[in-house]
Amino acid sequence: DVKVTQSSRYLVKRTGEKVFLECVQDMDHENMFWYRQDPGLGLRLIYFSYDVKMKEKGDIPEGYSVSREKKERFSLILESASTNQTSMYLCASSLFYPGEGNTIYFGEGSWLTVV
Amino acid sequence: AQKITQTQPGMFVQEKEAVTLDCTYDTSDQSYGLFWYKQPSSGEMIFLIYQGSYDEQNATEGRYSLNFQKARKSANLVISASQLGDSAMYFCAMREGEGSNYQLIWGAGTKLIIKP
Repeated sequence: DVKVTQSSRYLVKRTGEKVFLECVQDMDHENMFWYRQDPGLGLRLIYFSYDVKMKEKGDIPEGYSVSREKKERFSLILESASTNQTSMYLCASSLFYPGEGNTIYFGEGSWLTVV
Repeated sequence: AQKITQTQPGMFVQEKEAVTLDCTYDTSDQSYGLFWYKQPSSGEMIFLIYQGSYDEQNATEGRYSLNFQKARKSANLVISASQLGDSAMYFCAMREGEGSNYQLIWGAGTKLIIKP
């Protein structure tokens, strides 16, 4: 059974803290994504990676960085958390080109509150 | 301009009725793909159905079907015989671009509530 696992389901962090959100997939997928989900805004892409050590900025990369040292793991880093980064974060993975018979798989989400 | 538009922020439907969730898209690509996902309150995103731009027949998966009208650029999700467990957020997404240059674009979602 395919699986994308996000390390933390619920986090509460203080303003200015460094936050790590970890994501692991067991499907040998090339592509991994980090999205942010806010009510009424759908999913907004923060960063994606199409290979180890490769990363591309998405639509809203400001305030975030990522790391992909191993194919199965993609980490999202908030260097200095701010209250406007309170949100739900979704990790996803896919084979090279999502389409018929090859969908995008998501983790369960990480709810981050910055106080 | 919005590339994926889901015009219904929320819908209430009586159990056992059919439901149509709207999705319109905007692309100049000839090759693209359309996805529908369901997100229950627990947060996980569940893949429902996929339609490729060259597919001549509407995609179907169990109670889900995709009403693909290419000329109108619409890809509405139809759920037949709705059940209480269908209450969730539903997202339409489009893959456009080729190879490693593809993009995934998401709609804002529709919240569906099934009434008993």
